[in-house]
Amino acid sequence: ETGVTQTPRHLVMGMTNKKSLKCEQHLGHNAMYWYKQSAKKPLELMFVYNFKEQTENNSVPSRFSPECPNSSHLFLHLHTLQPEDSALYLCASSQKPLEKETQYFGPGTRLLVL
Amino acid sequence: SQKIEQNSEALNIQEGKTATLTCNYTNYSPAYLQWYRQDPGRGPVFLLLIRENEKEKRKERLKVTFDTTLKQSLFHITASQPADSATYLCALSNTGKLIFGQGTTLQVKP
Repeated sequence: ETGVTQTPRHLVMGMTNKKSLKCEQHLGHNAMYWYKQSAKKPLELMFVYNFKEQTENNSVPSRFSPECPNSSHLFLHLHTLQPEDSALYLCASSQKPLEKETQYFGPGTRLLVL
Repeated sequence: SQKIEQNSEALNIQEGKTATLTCNYTNYSPAYLQWYRQDPGRGPVFLLLIRENEKEKRKERLKVTFDTTLKQSLFHITASQPADSATYLCALSNTGKLIFGQGTTLQVKP
């Protein structure tokens, strides 16, 4: 275990549904991240939070809405998604949001949008 | 344009041999380069970090090299084992964040 948990592990939703992904880290880290991993593509950074403040939004569509209530928890709220949003969504954390920091990943949520 | 290239074809080797994976990049000047391992259905796991002023880094059976002139990193696993079968991702640091390659899948056959 990496100390980062994600729920649910699998999610199927229709295009009109609203759902949320949850991430929790037990490592005492201050930075948290959301990544999207599609088949045959590199991990795409979506959002970065540092001490609960969003420091990076990588041109993510507004149908993805992140929330970071504290340094240990990160949510990704989903609404009116498209089939091309089907992917593995990974949460990660690091001590600080710096390029030399090792990132610890959760197991991911496999999302299927019908 | 900026690009990170890892061999998209799977690498198949025999147990006990040395596996060598390549990460090439263009139009980046990373200060750090990291390698991660990802198993199916799991998140990536950190393996090694190497700085731009380091030529080589070792950890047990793993070795990473970083050539900023060639813009290339090589990742070696010596005495490979079937348990080393996984996808290996390289990640470059760039303006405060990590940019990942698409990964190379390694298959070690007994």
